[in-house]
Amino acid sequence: GAVVSQHPSRVICKSGTSVKIECRSLDFQATTMFWYRQFPKKSLMLMATSNEGSKATYEQGVEKDKFLINHASLTLSTLTVTSAHPEDSSFYICSATPTDTQYFGPGTRLTVL
Amino acid sequence: QKEVEQNSGPLSVPEGAIASLNCTYSDRGSQSFFWYRQYSGKSPELIMSIYSNGDKEDGRFTAQLNKASQYVSLLIRDSQPSDSATYLCAVNIGFRNEKLTFGTGTRLTIIP
Repeated sequence: GAVVSQHPSRVICKSGTSVKIECRSLDFQATTMFWYRQFPKKSLMLMATSNEGSKATYEQGVEKDKFLINHASLTLSTLTVTSAHPEDSSFYICSATPTDTQYFGPGTRLTVL
Repeated sequence: QKEVEQNSGPLSVPEGAIASLNCTYSDRGSQSFFWYRQYSGKSPELIMSIYSNGDKEDGRFTAQLNKASQYVSLLIRDSQPSDSATYLCAVNIGFRNEKLTFGTGTRLTIIP
């Protein structure tokens, strides 16, 4: 149980385009999902907390207009990186929680050319 | 002072030995404690959760919690090369619901 999927697993895009990443809880309902990014050899950085049916809560320093989060249902949250630039290239990971334990998706590796 | 602290390592342990990973946290109100394993290029994978003082065993893994000392550890018995990974300690700080605070991780290498 407690399986979280992400799509796509890898994406390469041109600078200036937008990229949408989906996070799904496959066998449980998640009122809360989290979005992290991780640079090589660095620790996880929480970007935002996504709550079903309400606006996401962004961590300090994360641009809400650049990283759009939509949690439209109890099993789906999306992260859209708008007008992506090379510095947005990173490993984006979502997690979902059925109780107080976070289960992570496999991650999406974004490369912006 | 960081909220959750881990020795970054690398920690090298011979195959078959016990690997001991440590974590301290700053908030006495913390309720939930987790250990995740992260292989290079992959996302974190939950190993264990612990909520009460004492030991909790699951196969070759034992989590230990001491709330008075604000200390949580993970022991890996009979270490295998496949245990080589970065181990992340995560703590539910205070009453932040499900939000976790992660340590920077300890890189563990099991030497065959």
